[in-house]
Amino acid sequence: DVKVTQSSRYLVKRTGEKVFLECVQDMDHENMFWYRQDPGLGLRLIYFSYDVKMKEKGDIPEGYSVSREKKERFSLILESASTNQTSMYLCASSLVDFSNQPQHFGDGTRLSIL
Amino acid sequence: SQQGEEDPQALSIQEGENATMNCSYKTSINNLQWYRQNSGRGLVHLILIRSNEREKHSGRLRVTLDTSKKSSSLLITASRAADTASYFCATDTGAGGTSYGKLTFGQGTILTVHP
Repeated sequence: DVKVTQSSRYLVKRTGEKVFLECVQDMDHENMFWYRQDPGLGLRLIYFSYDVKMKEKGDIPEGYSVSREKKERFSLILESASTNQTSMYLCASSLVDFSNQPQHFGDGTRLSIL
Repeated sequence: SQQGEEDPQALSIQEGENATMNCSYKTSINNLQWYRQNSGRGLVHLILIRSNEREKHSGRLRVTLDTSKKSSSLLITASRAADTASYFCATDTGAGGTSYGKLTFGQGTILTVHP
């Protein structure tokens, strides 16, 4: 079974801090994704990556950056955390097979910015 | 508005009954996927149906796809209390190799199954 591991289930940070959310997958998947999930808004794509050192903006990239130095690890960075970034963050991965592949999700990180 | 929109937003049924959730979308798709999310957890993939397929089964799950109406439905038969969760449809609208498997999710249907 594919395992996608997010480093923290719960995280509390202060406004202005630089925050790192880490995600690791163990199935050699090429694609990795970061979403945020908010009540009434569903899942929204922040960034995705289709290869090491490659990244593409999703629908809501403002205030975020990402890093993919190794194939198995995809990091989401909040450069200067703000209260409106309080949310549930979900990481996912999938095989590249040019679509028709499901995404595999981690358990999420519930981030609170005070 | 969202590419995928689920209906109803919430559904409450008794154990043993069938549950039907619907999803509508706006643009052409490569495939449509259904996911389940237990409270406070990540999403779990349930079933994927390609744009050239009309129906797919997996255990107690049945998914239909009508590309002419741009809609899909998920049927859970003989529901159990353990089926209580949120269910999301997601569409892959990318053109072949450029999609990278990117999905657009709907807002989900909250299903509650009472014992």
